[in-house]
This record gives sequence, C-alpha cells and structure tokens, in this order.
Amino acid sequence: GQQLNQSPQSMFIQEGEDVSMNCTSSSIFNTWLWYKQDPGEGPVLLIALYKAGELTSNGRLTAQFGITRKDSFLNISASIPSDVGIYFCAGQTRPPGNTPLVFGKGTRLSVIA
Amino acid sequence: DVKVTQSSRYLVKRTGEKVFLECVQDMDHENMFWYRQDPGLGLRLIYFSYDVKMKEKGDIPEGYSVSREKKERFSLILESASTNQTSMYLCASAQPGQRTGELFFGEGSRLTVL
Repeated sequence: GQQLNQSPQSMFIQEGEDVSMNCTSSSIFNTWLWYKQDPGEGPVLLIALYKAGELTSNGRLTAQFGITRKDSFLNISASIPSDVGIYFCAGQTRPPGNTPLVFGKGTRLSVIA
Repeated sequence: DVKVTQSSRYLVKRTGEKVFLECVQDMDHENMFWYRQDPGLGLRLIYFSYDVKMKEKGDIPEGYSVSREKKERFSLILESASTNQTSMYLCASAQPGQRTGELFFGEGSRLTVL
C-alpha cells in the first residue's frame, strides 16, 4: 500500500525549544492530518488540513499542507513537558469520501525539563 | 463527551485461543476501524467498516476477522491467537464525508499472547 515517510523517528529536546517534524509521500494527498498519542492512550487529532498551501495553527502547534500535495510539516513552539508523546501524520488520497487514512510511522518526542 | 470505548485495556491469552476485542462508539458514526500498533511500524489498518454488516480488508487482515451487527459496535476477532499477534489494538470511528479523516480513537487494548 501507500506509505508516508515521517521524520525524524525520535527527538530529544530541551523544554522551551521549538520542534519541527515532517511527512513526505510519493503520492498526492488531498487531506493531511496530524495526531498525537500520549503514553498509554489512543491518538488524538491535533490539526486537519484540506487545501494545498494551507497553514493552520492550534495554540503552539502549526501545520502546513505542502503546495505539491506530497508533504506536510508540524511545528511546535516553546515545547513543554506535556508535549511528550508520539506524533503521527496521516494522509487521505481522494477528495472528501470514504478512503482510509495512510499513517506515517510516528515521531517520538521526549522533552527534557 | 464523545467517546470510543474498547472493552479491555489489557488481555493475556494463550496461543490458539479465540479472542474478541470489542469497540463501542456513542457518536452515531458510520465509519469504524481497527488498527494495530507496533513499535517502529506505526498504525496499520486491519479492517474497516462503513456501514452495518459491511466490512473491508485493510493492509494486514490475515489472522483476523470482524463483525459489525450494530452501528455503534465493531468487534475484532482473532480466531486462533498466535504470539505474533501480541500488540496494541486501536479502534477508531469517524463520520463519512468531508471530515472522514478525523478519527476518534479508543484508549487501546494491549494484547499479549503467550
């Protein structure tokens, strides 16, 4: 099946630092989404992007839908300990409709206080 | 508060046992999904369903089956558990249409097969 290349696989950062992670694909996606999974919990949606070039913020989080439709990035500013977890990108290939998401393998974020 | 509830957080089963993982959502969602999560492999889709009594294979359906008799309930079945099915299993639901990618996940069921 289709694959998303998510990087980095893991990050160790100091509290207060900014974080950047990204996803790339060889295929075009019409929707990009970013999820976060806290330890011991299921993933939770952070940001959904529906237009190429779209830049969307959610508090300290900012995500962009790449112009080529083949990539997306997520930035976290001024990281705090509760940002710890696994971040997943996900893409959907068709226009609004019922096709399952394709997930990246995740970026594990550790924040050192 | 909207919710996806998985029946068991932790299960330990023996090789060859039949295992049922239950998932219930209270959001009247049409779409439901079962994923498997393993370290370094991310979330892999096992089966999904877009309607009652409807099911579609995902990327890794081998060794699994599903049942959707009611809209709110989607069950994952391991007919004969094997040690390589030791994993975290995540159920999710979503509405069809524009926001079909906006999944609501349960807390997960961690299965150990001995």
